[in-house]
Amino acid sequence: QQQVKQSPQSLIVQKGGIPIINCAYENTAFDYFPWYQQFPGKGPALLIAIRPDVSEKKEGRFTISFNKSAKQFSLHIMDSQPGDSATYFCAAKITGGYNKLIFGAGTRLAVHP
Amino acid sequence: NAGVMQNPRHLVRRRGQEARLRCSPMKGHSHVYWYRQLPEEGLKFMVYLQKENIIDESGMPKERFSAEFPKEGPSILRIQQVVRGDSAAYFCASSLSGSGTGELFFGEGSRLTVL
Repeated sequence: QQQVKQSPQSLIVQKGGIPIINCAYENTAFDYFPWYQQFPGKGPALLIAIRPDVSEKKEGRFTISFNKSAKQFSLHIMDSQPGDSATYFCAAKITGGYNKLIFGAGTRLAVHP
Repeated sequence: NAGVMQNPRHLVRRRGQEARLRCSPMKGHSHVYWYRQLPEEGLKFMVYLQKENIIDESGMPKERFSAEFPKEGPSILRIQQVVRGDSAAYFCASSLSGSGTGELFFGEGSRLTVL
């Protein structure tokens, strides 16, 4: 069964810290790896995404690192702010066909002032 | 608001009743996906629809659940004879194309509580 495993389940950092969220997948038939951010009571919103032919992608304070051989990818948040406090989901899109995403279980991040 | 619109935002049903959740995709999007989120869990794929067609319903429970996306009007996720285990947040997402980018735009969800 196709799965995406995400860790840690929850994370607390101080303002300015660099939280790191990790994901691993077990099926090679993925070709797109997005991260979604979800605030309480809201729907998930696309944050940043990467394709497996790229090892790193940066957008503002958010960076994805991708290790194809290890089947792992991670999200780093530089200079984290209290407003970054949210739940973060990694996901993977099955190769070919339509935009069906397999999601990790989520990481609840709290950034303390 | 040009985003994905879901209603109702909150729905309370008693066991055995029916729940109908509606989703209007972003303007110009004809691909709709339904996901379910249980408390403290990630999103689980349920069904993918294009206008008038169900493309993939591999995540839908075999009984009591159905989905449609008619030529006119919103997509509907219907849950018959609800049970307590159906209590969850149901998210609809839409995409412009049916392939490639993986970019899904999510609505704010419909939170179903079954008493």
